[in-house]
Amino acid sequence: NAGVTQTPKFRILKIGQSMTLQCTQDMNHNYMYWYRQDPGMGLKLIYYSVGAGITDKGEVPNGYNVSRSTTEDFPLRLELAAPSQTSVYFCASSSAGYTFGSGTRLTVV
Amino acid sequence: AQSVTQLDSHVSVSEGTPVLLRCNYSSSYSPSLFWYVQHPNKGLQLLLKYTSAATLVKGINGFEAEFKKSETSFHLTKPSAHMSDAAEYFCVVSPFTGGGNKLTFGTGTQLKVEL
Repeated sequence: NAGVTQTPKFRILKIGQSMTLQCTQDMNHNYMYWYRQDPGMGLKLIYYSVGAGITDKGEVPNGYNVSRSTTEDFPLRLELAAPSQTSVYFCASSSAGYTFGSGTRLTVV
Repeated sequence: AQSVTQLDSHVSVSEGTPVLLRCNYSSSYSPSLFWYVQHPNKGLQLLLKYTSAATLVKGINGFEAEFKKSETSFHLTKPSAHMSDAAEYFCVVSPFTGGGNKLTFGTGTQLKVEL
């Protein structure tokens, strides 16, 4: 089982560029989440999904968009990258317990 | 509403001595509580979880935590620290177990283990 797979692992963006962080899980979990982790802080919830076609905002959704067209995939879109979005992004899925991906380290310069 | 406070941002111990990482929580529900560990440049690994069964929870790598409702605490302990325990530890609260639970993370405690 691959679990939760995130790509890319690292990325440097220029201000104003856009990109999509990919997340795929192979455990048939209905629930999926995107968190961001800033230095010295815990993880904060950006968006989550309770199933295909259903998404909702978390604690810090501004500047991000998500979609959930299939159970497996939950991509996170940054439309106009800003330095404040420099962070480590974790995707997760859950059933009885959480499984986290290994993270994407994003730097916006 | 729920929140979690990790009382120490940094803890330093000598190898072979006990570890205590402190966590207090606040929740409107009977919460589920977790401890996660994150090694440098790695993802998150679940150490242990409390889900309203036994109040003393044993986890991986010799860690355990005790749920104390009267003190709203869930401190993480280990009798003897090992160098490989050096990492960041997160206390996490959730309103319930199962799917769909949104986790609230503490700000983390950085554990340093010295020879």
